[in-house]
Amino acid sequence: SAVISQKPSRDICQRGTSLTIQCQVDSQVTMMFWYRQQPGQSLTLIATANQGSEATYESGFVIDKFPISRPNLTFSTLTVSNMSPEDSSIYLCSVSITDEQYFGPGTRLTVT
Amino acid sequence: SQKIEQNSEALNIQEGKTATLTCNYTNYSPAYLQWYRQDPGRGPVFLLLIRENEKEKRKERLKVTFDTTLKQSLFHITASQPADSATYLCALARFNQAGTALIFGKGTTLSVSS
Repeated sequence: SAVISQKPSRDICQRGTSLTIQCQVDSQVTMMFWYRQQPGQSLTLIATANQGSEATYESGFVIDKFPISRPNLTFSTLTVSNMSPEDSSIYLCSVSITDEQYFGPGTRLTVT
Repeated sequence: SQKIEQNSEALNIQEGKTATLTCNYTNYSPAYLQWYRQDPGRGPVFLLLIRENEKEKRKERLKVTFDTTLKQSLFHITASQPADSATYLCALARFNQAGTALIFGKGTTLSVSS
């Protein structure tokens, strides 16, 4: 298993600004994932981040809007850039260990 | 594109009964399927994984079936308890160039009353 922490747990931001979300894992993992969960909706994969390579983005998500860093095997960041109210959501990171995924507690973002 | 449907948004049952949740999928043949539990304000928690060559899997009071012909999985909680009240998510494994990612259904919110 894995224990994942995220910072911040929540934030309220003004439109046009950017927020960087941090994800820390208690063990070394190859693959990390970033998801978005909009109110009343399920999880939507934003991108897959492997250490040492560029993140792979899902359809509808682009690097300019959601740049991701993966500097080592236990840490990743997701930036939500030039925010608009439509970006209000919960952002979760997760890791995959032997086909099971473990999730962080999420970052609740509100854009005003 | 792949589509997952959990055909009940909400399910209300009495304590002690068996809860049965359904997950249907289209346009895909997943190597495995998973079920997660999500409580309000928290990330999903892994419950069970079932592979395409497995018909059924059990863990304590939980049972999952996987019918690749019907493209359907059923998730059962026997002897349900109020503490089982949560949202349950079905997820399919999808392989892409970056590795294996999960596609989630919208979830079924289960309420168990005492």
